[in-house]
Amino acid sequence: AQSVTQLDSHVSVSEGTPVLLRCNYSSSYSPSLFWYVQHPNKGLQLLLKYTSAATLVKGINGFEAEFKKSETSFHLTKPSAHMSDAAEYFCVVSDLRYGNKLVFGAGTILRVKS
Amino acid sequence: DAGVIQSPRHEVTEMGQEVTLRCKPISGHDYLFWYRQTMMRGLELLIYFNNNVPIDDSGMPEDRFSAKMPNASFSTLKIQPSEPRDSAVYFCASSFSRAMNTEAFFGQGTRLTVV
Repeated sequence: AQSVTQLDSHVSVSEGTPVLLRCNYSSSYSPSLFWYVQHPNKGLQLLLKYTSAATLVKGINGFEAEFKKSETSFHLTKPSAHMSDAAEYFCVVSDLRYGNKLVFGAGTILRVKS
Repeated sequence: DAGVIQSPRHEVTEMGQEVTLRCKPISGHDYLFWYRQTMMRGLELLIYFNNNVPIDDSGMPEDRFSAKMPNASFSTLKIQPSEPRDSAVYFCASSFSRAMNTEAFFGQGTRLTVV
């Protein structure tokens, strides 16, 4: 079975400082991993996805994530937070062996202070 | 492509009434998912289809919920009778299975309020 644990329900940073949103996954096979972002009252938008080609994945809006198999982690980072980054972020795992369905973490709400 | 299209965007109904949510997936996608989002439970997978066939409906909360996909371009999620605890945002998503690491594309959601 697959599962995702987002280690922080809320993260608060100041504008211009780094962002770190933590995610650990569990999957019995080689998973696909994603980060989605949801702004208030909006749908879900893909930030980035992990392919087996590279462990460091670059996404939109300056976000990156690093796949670490030994740690079963896929943490999301950004060097410098912007006010527009304030949103809820979801770490997601899927596996073709489980029918491609996405299993979502509980979400991390990112607050950016001016 | 216009993306995944859901209708209506908002629905307010009285307890006991039937509610039908609609979804048009992205053309060519062979997977379709229905999710429900609430503050208490986050995002829950209700059911998903592959090539119009339901694969896993274990997330459907009760017999009051049913979903159909009569063809590759349309799916419905029906609640009958509706209850206040069904109030949530319902998302439809679609994906294409034949690509590696394929992501799901989400609609804008239907915000359901049952009073």
